[in-house]
Amino acid sequence: AQSVTQLGSHVSVSEGALVLLRCNYSSSVPPYLFWYVQYPNQGLQLLLKYTTGATLVKGINGFEAEFKKSETSFHLTKPSAHMSDAAEYFCAVSRRDRDDKIIFGKGTRLHILP
Amino acid sequence: NAGVMQNPRHLVRRRGQEARLRCSPMKGHSHVYWYRQLPEEGLKFMVYLQKENIIDESGMPKERFSAEFPKEGPSILRIQQVVRGDSAAYFCASSQTRGLGLEDTQYFGPGTRLTVL
Repeated sequence: AQSVTQLGSHVSVSEGALVLLRCNYSSSVPPYLFWYVQYPNQGLQLLLKYTTGATLVKGINGFEAEFKKSETSFHLTKPSAHMSDAAEYFCAVSRRDRDDKIIFGKGTRLHILP
Repeated sequence: NAGVMQNPRHLVRRRGQEARLRCSPMKGHSHVYWYRQLPEEGLKFMVYLQKENIIDESGMPKERFSAEFPKEGPSILRIQQVVRGDSAAYFCASSQTRGLGLEDTQYFGPGTRLTVL
């Protein structure tokens, strides 16, 4: 069975500081990995996804994530936080051989301090 | 190209009533997924449908919940005899193909927030 663990339900960073949101996954088969963002009262928007190839994936809004197989991690980073980044972020996984079902983590709420 | 549409955005029901949630996928998408988000939780998969067919309903409660995606019209998630525990945000997503790998992704709607009094 697949699962996703996001470390820290709430993360606060100062505007301009590095953003690091942690995600570890468990999967018996090679996974696809995703990060989604949810702004208040809105649906989820795909930030980036890893399917194959280069392990450093660049997404929208300056975010990127690195797939580390040895650590079963897919942490999300952004060099410099902006106030508009305040939102909830979900890490997710799906199976390569059954890739229509996405398993989500519980989410991390990112707070940006002025 | 309009995104995934869901209505209503907010729905209030009393215990025992029925709730009907609608989802119109993106144009050209024939695959629809329903997810439920409880407070302080991530999204949980409920059901995956393709036009007129239920492909996977492994996440759907066995009783009171049903889903359909008719040949014409939106996908409907129906909850009969709602209880307080059904209060949640229900999200619909759609995709062009079944796979999520290199070429496709699931696009999410804004959700319907159901409150059961």
